[in-house]
Amino acid sequence: AQSVAQPEDQVNVAEGNPLTVKCTYSVSGNPYLFWYVQYPNRGLQFLLKYITGDNLVKGSYGFEAEFNKSQTSFHLKKPSALVSDSALYFCAVRDDDRGSTLGRLYFGRGTQLTVWP
Amino acid sequence: EAQVTQNPRYLITVTGKKLTVTCSQNMNHEYMSWYRQDPGLGLRQIYYSMNVEVTDKGDVPEGYKVSRKEKRNFPLILESPSPNQTSLYFCASSYLRGKLNNEQFFGPGTRLTVL
Repeated sequence: AQSVAQPEDQVNVAEGNPLTVKCTYSVSGNPYLFWYVQYPNRGLQFLLKYITGDNLVKGSYGFEAEFNKSQTSFHLKKPSALVSDSALYFCAVRDDDRGSTLGRLYFGRGTQLTVWP
Repeated sequence: EAQVTQNPRYLITVTGKKLTVTCSQNMNHEYMSWYRQDPGLGLRQIYYSMNVEVTDKGDVPEGYKVSRKEKRNFPLILESPSPNQTSLYFCASSYLRGKLNNEQFFGPGTRLTVL
């Protein structure tokens, strides 16, 4: 069955330090992987995606994510965190196996990132 | 401005009173979807549509209906709302172009309270 796990409900880092938000997934075919960010009282905004090709994907606001097929992971990273990065982050996966779940998008439970000054 | 709009943004209603949350996009997207967001559960897909007159169930379709009569609109209908449908609802849309790897654009959300 398709699923996404974000093992950490909260991640706290100091400004200027590197940050990692973890995501693992399970699909039957090949994954299309996405990261979205949600600021307070706002809808979700797209950050980056992995379709195929380079395992390191670069996205908006200096974020990047590393796809690891053997570990079925797609961790979100940033070399130097900003206070303004504080938000709720969601990982999502879509399965390219064109079966009964075609079109479905599966989200993790979200990770609250807090960057303190 | 390219956007997904939802109305109303906030709604308080009572059990059993039918309601509709509208969703409209101006980007000519084929794909549209509804999600609900609950604390500790993340986003769960309710229904989605790959094109006009084509809709499919997501993870949590019970108690909801949708229709896709026009490309730009995808209303969410609660025929008989119950308190367990109190939630934050998001509509989203994306291009398909024969692929499923396009990112979605989200609306601002509708906070629904069912008493």
